[in-house]
Amino acid sequence: GQSLEQPSEVTAVEGAIVQINCTYQTSGFYGLSWYQQHDGGAPTFLSYNALDGLEETGRFSSFLSRSDSYGYLLLQELQMKDSASYFCAVTSGGSYIPTFGRGTSLIVHP
Amino acid sequence: DGGITQSPKYLFRKEGQNVTLSCEQNLNHDAMYWYRQDPGQGLRLIYYSQIVNDFQKGDIAEGYSVSREKKESFPLTVTSAQKNPTAFYLCASREQGSNQPQHFGDGTRLSIL
Repeated sequence: GQSLEQPSEVTAVEGAIVQINCTYQTSGFYGLSWYQQHDGGAPTFLSYNALDGLEETGRFSSFLSRSDSYGYLLLQELQMKDSASYFCAVTSGGSYIPTFGRGTSLIVHP
Repeated sequence: DGGITQSPKYLFRKEGQNVTLSCEQNLNHDAMYWYRQDPGQGLRLIYYSQIVNDFQKGDIAEGYSVSREKKESFPLTVTSAQKNPTAFYLCASREQGSNQPQHFGDGTRLSIL
């Protein structure tokens, strides 16, 4: 089976940098995705890593180490609007269906 | 504007009643998915469909049924056999291919009366 581990909650102050880690166990790994979900809303896609290394998109970056079965999402210059839940998701197997982690609640304080 | 529309936003079910959640997309995506989200939990896959007239069970299909008669539509029925239906239901679609992101609807919140 597949499993993903990520912290349940992370707290930071406005303007800071925060890292949300994700470790996974799976077979037939294709890639690791990150989604953001505000309370009561739809998850929105942030990033996808299939190869080792860092992908940068504005204030957000995502990292993957396939050999360590580990990735992280890095959020820089935190803003209050970044308070949300962040999910990592592993895509594996022949059907390319992502399996989601339980999510990390990010709370940004002024 | 392309997107995914879920309706209704809120739904209440009586005991012994079947209810159907609507999901429509105009993104021309082949694959569509239904997820259930409980408080503090991730998204759990109920059913998915990769092509019209075909669908597969996900991890928690018991008590649910789906149909895929049109590419644009993937309705989910929560049957009376689902004893704990209170949850947030999310529909998603995506293009085929491993690195293609999923696009989600705004969700339907189902509660028991």
